[in-house]
Amino acid sequence: AQTVTQSQPEMSVQEAETVTLSCTYDTSESDYYLFWYKQPPSRQMILVIRQEAYKQQNATENRFSVNFQKAAKSFSLKISDSQLGDAAMYFCAYRDGGSQGNLIFGKGTKLSVKP
Amino acid sequence: DTGVSQDPRHKITKRGQNVTFRCDPISEHNRLYWYRQTLGQGPEFLTYFQNEAQLEKSRLLSDRFSAERPKGSFSTLEIQRTEQGDSAMYLCASSLTQGVHNEQFFGPGTRLTVL
Repeated sequence: AQTVTQSQPEMSVQEAETVTLSCTYDTSESDYYLFWYKQPPSRQMILVIRQEAYKQQNATENRFSVNFQKAAKSFSLKISDSQLGDAAMYFCAYRDGGSQGNLIFGKGTKLSVKP
Repeated sequence: DTGVSQDPRHKITKRGQNVTFRCDPISEHNRLYWYRQTLGQGPEFLTYFQNEAQLEKSRLLSDRFSAERPKGSFSTLEIQRTEQGDSAMYLCASSLTQGVHNEQFFGPGTRLTVL
């Protein structure tokens, strides 16, 4: 069974600095997708960034980028120029490339941003 | 249509009572997912529908849980004979049919407290 592990329950970053959140996963599939979701306090979860396993190039969305190491099954999220609004729970998630489609989430990392 | 909506947002019930939650997906989305999120954990998959067909159920979905999606539009999740262990946030998500860009959009969730 596929699993997703986030080893950092909490992280803190100074405003305008850079922070990296870690995620590892386990799967025997070759076709899959990886995601980072953000869940602000009392607000709904939103997609931050996605990575297709067949793509070697790391995904980037504005201040958010990933370091995808397929052989190591590692998928970290880098947030540059951190803003107060980045404070939230961040969840790493996995999805098979097949037809099922449900997401498998890690336990999350709570990110605090200090002004 | 501004996104996935869920009703109610909060539900407090006594052990042994039945509860029903509703999810309205984004109108053109034919896939609908239910997840459960307990404190300090990431969301866990419960079940999903493609149109009106329930295609997958997690082992977490005991026989006290039932989900429906009549006419392939809104969905309901019913929990019978609630137990304190059912206390959690119940999240609904919707997406287009499987594809590279079938992002799952999440609703705000229904927080259930079983006394």
